Parts: sequence; C-alpha cells; structure tokens
Amino acid sequence: AQKITQTQPGMFVQEKEAVTLDCTYDTSDPSYGLFWYKQPSSGEMIFLIYQGSYDQQNATEGRYSLNFQKARKSANLVISASQLGDSAMYFCAISASGTYKYIFGTGTRLKVLA
Amino acid sequence: NAGVMQNPRHLVRRRGQEARLRCSPMKGHSHVYWYRQLPEEGLKFMVYLQKENIIDESGMPKERFSAEFPKEGPSILRIQQVVRGDSAAYFCASSPTGDISGNTIYFGEGSWLTVV
Repeated sequence: AQKITQTQPGMFVQEKEAVTLDCTYDTSDPSYGLFWYKQPSSGEMIFLIYQGSYDQQNATEGRYSLNFQKARKSANLVISASQLGDSAMYFCAISASGTYKYIFGTGTRLKVLA
Repeated sequence: NAGVMQNPRHLVRRRGQEARLRCSPMKGHSHVYWYRQLPEEGLKFMVYLQKENIIDESGMPKERFSAEFPKEGPSILRIQQVVRGDSAAYFCASSPTGDISGNTIYFGEGSWLTVV
C-alpha cells in the first residue's frame, strides 16, 4: 500500500520569495513516480512536476523543482520567486510502477502575500 | 488537441435524483479514470475503465454508483438517488496506457456536484 503525507495544511509566503511544500511518502514498491499538482480556486488540477524513483537528478520545471530525498522518502516541492498567481492548493501524489492509481495527499493551501 | 472534457462543470441535484457526469478523454487515450474530491480533501480513486470494460472499481461505493465507457461516446459516471454526502468534485482523467507511474495522466476540469 502507498501513502502520501502532507503535514502543512496552510502556508504563507511573501511575493518573490521561495517556498517549500512538504511531502513524505510510504511505499514498498521499488519503482514509483511522484507528482505534484496545483489546484487553483477555479478547481482544475494542473500538473506541475514529476519525479521517477530511479531518476538520479531532481526534477525541475521552470520555477518548480522537486527536492527528492529517496532515503528519507520525501518529495518536497520548491517554488522559487513566488507570484500572486501561485496561491492555490497543492497536492502531492504517488503511483507505483505498473499501476494506474494515484494516491493523493490531503494538500497544502498556499497563500502568496503581496 | 482538446484536453479531457467534462460536463457539466456544475450540477445541482435534489436528494433522491440521479446525477450523470460525462467525460470525453483526450484524443488517442483509451484509459479513463474517475476520482472524487470531497470538500477539503485530496482526490480519491474511484474507477478505471477502458473502452467497454471496467478494469478496477475498487474505489466506487458499492451502491448507487456506476460507471461506463462505451465503444462510442464519453465515459459516464452515474449516481443514483443522490444524498448530501455525494456532494463533491468528480474528476475524470485519461492516459494513453494503463501504466501511469512514469507518465502523467491528464485531468479534466472537474464536475462539481451539489446535492440540496
């Protein structure tokens, strides 16, 4: 069984600063993928970034990077140079290799302050 | 190339009525998934379908909920005799294959069901 834990229900960050959203996971599968999604107030799920369990380097996508620490089973999302439009819910998810299910965390609500 | 299309975006039903949510996957995708998001929670897997087949419905409530993905037309999530606890956002997603660990699935914009 897999599990995702997001311990920060809410976070604040000043505009233009960096912020880290925590995600820890639990899985017994040797191969898996980790994902981050953004859900703005309009409700849609926006894919941000993906990290494979065997990827040697941390994933980056523009202002998003994933701080992947496999031994600690953590996959924190780092948003650099925060913008007001980054205010949203952020969900971490995991999927084991060969499967078709995402297991989502409960999310972190980020508020960017002007 | 249109994304995953869901409709309606918002649906209001009285208790006891039926709700039908539709999902058209991305072009070329034959794998469809439905997830439910209760208020202030993350998404929870409901069902996985391929054309004309239900592959895994382990996340579906045993009663009142059903899903289909016919050979022609969209996937349908049907909720009979809705209750207030069914109020949630229902997301459809699609993928080109059934192994999504190394491949993202593409979500629709969601359908928000409110039961009054």
